[in-house]
Amino acid sequence: NAGVTQTPKFQVLKTGQSMTLQCAQDMNHEYMSWYRQDPGMGLRLIHYSVGAGITDQGEVPNGYNVSRSTTEDFPLRLLSAAPSQTSVYFCASRSTIDGYGYTFGSGTRLTVV
Amino acid sequence: SQKIEQNSEALNIQEGKTATLTCNYTNYSPAYLQWYRQDPGRGPVFLLLIRENEKEKRKERLKVTFDTTLKQSLFHITASQPADSATYLCALISNTGKLIFGQGTTLQVKP
Repeated sequence: NAGVTQTPKFQVLKTGQSMTLQCAQDMNHEYMSWYRQDPGMGLRLIHYSVGAGITDQGEVPNGYNVSRSTTEDFPLRLLSAAPSQTSVYFCASRSTIDGYGYTFGSGTRLTVV
Repeated sequence: SQKIEQNSEALNIQEGKTATLTCNYTNYSPAYLQWYRQDPGRGPVFLLLIRENEKEKRKERLKVTFDTTLKQSLFHITASQPADSATYLCALISNTGKLIFGQGTTLQVKP
């Protein structure tokens, strides 16, 4: 099992560019989430999904889009990158079975210049 | 507003001692609370989950308590080791079903 795979690991964007952060999991988890982590701010939820075809907003959704066409994949799209989106992004997934926590990917470090 | 608070100051303890980390929350009524460990440059790793009807949960050297009256969870590491040095995050399910994290507390265990 690969777990949760995020690509790329590092990315530098210019202001105004768009890009997609990829996230894939091979554990057949229904729940998937995207978080960003900034110094002193902890992990903040961007978007999440409880299953294929279902997504909802988290605490900081502005400037980001998601879709969930399959159980395995949950890409995060930055529509027009801004320096405020410089951060480390984590994708996470978990089973619907009660009692388990989230499995996190290794993160994508994004810099917007 | 809903808040999860962890001590932002690093906790420094001597090897062999018990480390105790605190997680306080307001305006939540979580069904359960989770604890994660995060090492620098890595994603968080799930450690323990405790339900609202459980007062205490143990796993090896880890112990978590959950007091829904005080709205507080305590996370203990007994016989701490330098390898326990990391940032520890608490998380709980919000009223809308989302998993929300505290800022984390950094633990440094000195040999």
